[in-house]
Amino acid sequence: GENVEQHPSTLSVQEGDSAVIKCTYSDSASNYFPWYKQELGKRPQLIIDIRSNVGEKKDQRIAVTLNKTAKHFSLHITETQPEDSAVYFCARGSARQLTFGSGTQLTVLP
Amino acid sequence: DTGVSQDPRHKITKRGQNVTFRCDPISEHNRLYWYRQTLGQGPEFLTYFQNEAQLEKSRLLSDRFSAERPKGSFSTLEIQRTEQGDSAMYLCASSFDGAYTGELFFGEGSRLTVL
Repeated sequence: GENVEQHPSTLSVQEGDSAVIKCTYSDSASNYFPWYKQELGKRPQLIIDIRSNVGEKKDQRIAVTLNKTAKHFSLHITETQPEDSAVYFCARGSARQLTFGSGTQLTVLP
Repeated sequence: DTGVSQDPRHKITKRGQNVTFRCDPISEHNRLYWYRQTLGQGPEFLTYFQNEAQLEKSRLLSDRFSAERPKGSFSTLEIQRTEQGDSAMYLCASSFDGAYTGELFFGEGSRLTVL
């Protein structure tokens, strides 16, 4: 199918620890894998993305890895801070259409 | 602020009524999208425009839903004969064809409540 499975649905970590969120998909045609952050009552905003010809991408404390053979990709946040608390959505697809996961509520405990 | 703007932000209507939402994308963006989001879920794709052409439409989209982008700038999404299941946040997003990333810039959304 075209769905994206995202796990876990909720994640609590201590400030300073790392957080990892995983997504799996089944559609081989997907070539674009973004991650969006949505704070309560706010619009989703892109935090990082990766294309299918790249295995890993980093941006400061955030990294994304992609395993096209196994059809899964992950978001890694290191040295978490309270302001990282939000809902994170993975997505896959193309410029025309994205399919989003169901989201992970990340809570960073001070 | 030259971000994506949506109007109205909130709409309460009775079942069976028609509603229309408007989206003004970022001015230089030629791509425009409509998504729907319900509580606890990710955005669900509805439709995509490149300039004024509607190039993608979700197979799940009922024929009660219609979207237009007549001049390739603002867009409207109309829902006819609303049902309670239509209650959701309707998100508009835009992007630029020539951008390096495929980043979607979302609006604040239009929240629909069908009584």
